[in-house]
Amino acid sequence: EVQLVESGGGLVQPGGSLRLSCAASGFTFSSYEMNWVRQAPGKGLEWVSYISSSGSTIYYADSVKGRFTISRDNAKNSLYLQMNSLRAEDTAVYYCASRAWGDYWGQGTLVTVSS
Amino acid sequence: QLVLTQSPSASASLGASVKLTCTLSSGHSSYAIAWHQQQPEKGPRYLMKLNSDGSHSKGDGIPDRFSGSSSGAERYLTISSLQSEDEADYYCQTWGTGTVVFGGGTKLTVL
Repeated sequence: EVQLVESGGGLVQPGGSLRLSCAASGFTFSSYEMNWVRQAPGKGLEWVSYISSSGSTIYYADSVKGRFTISRDNAKNSLYLQMNSLRAEDTAVYYCASRAWGDYWGQGTLVTVSS
Repeated sequence: QLVLTQSPSASASLGASVKLTCTLSSGHSSYAIAWHQQQPEKGPRYLMKLNSDGSHSKGDGIPDRFSGSSSGAERYLTISSLQSEDEADYYCQTWGTGTVVFGGGTKLTVL
């Protein structure tokens, strides 16, 4: 059974940092490109970042470019999102999703940026 | 610019059928999309990947009641024999070089 489990969310002050993790199981993680997608309270889905299966190709949404860093450890079947200089508008549930078309999703982890 | 447009809301009666539409921006009519369902207070669930020729591949356990079709820049999701649990938000998604794009979502109400 395919599973994606996010962790690392929480309450952080504006300007702070947080590192999200996504643990993958049930499929050959090293062969799958991955995405981070977020959803602000009451809003729609917003793409955040993409990483290729090898990690050699990375893309970011303009809203997070220069502040967020996506990475992966294929030996640990894990995906990461390092979030720095956090803003109130980064408050959202963050999901990891597999492949460009999101054929598997995690349950999400809530990030709240507030003083 | 790659953009997906969805109607904000739709409604249909229990047991009836409904067809949701996702429109690709000009110049992108050959793009494949994916449909996702998000039930209240839950994470998104992948329904299917839908190609420009109407062929589609559904996710694990997705019932036959869910089907997809395409016409030009339009991508459709048809849900037949509507059930109460089909009341949800439906998002289309596409992808290109350097970007992934979501539509604004359609809130489906089952009457």
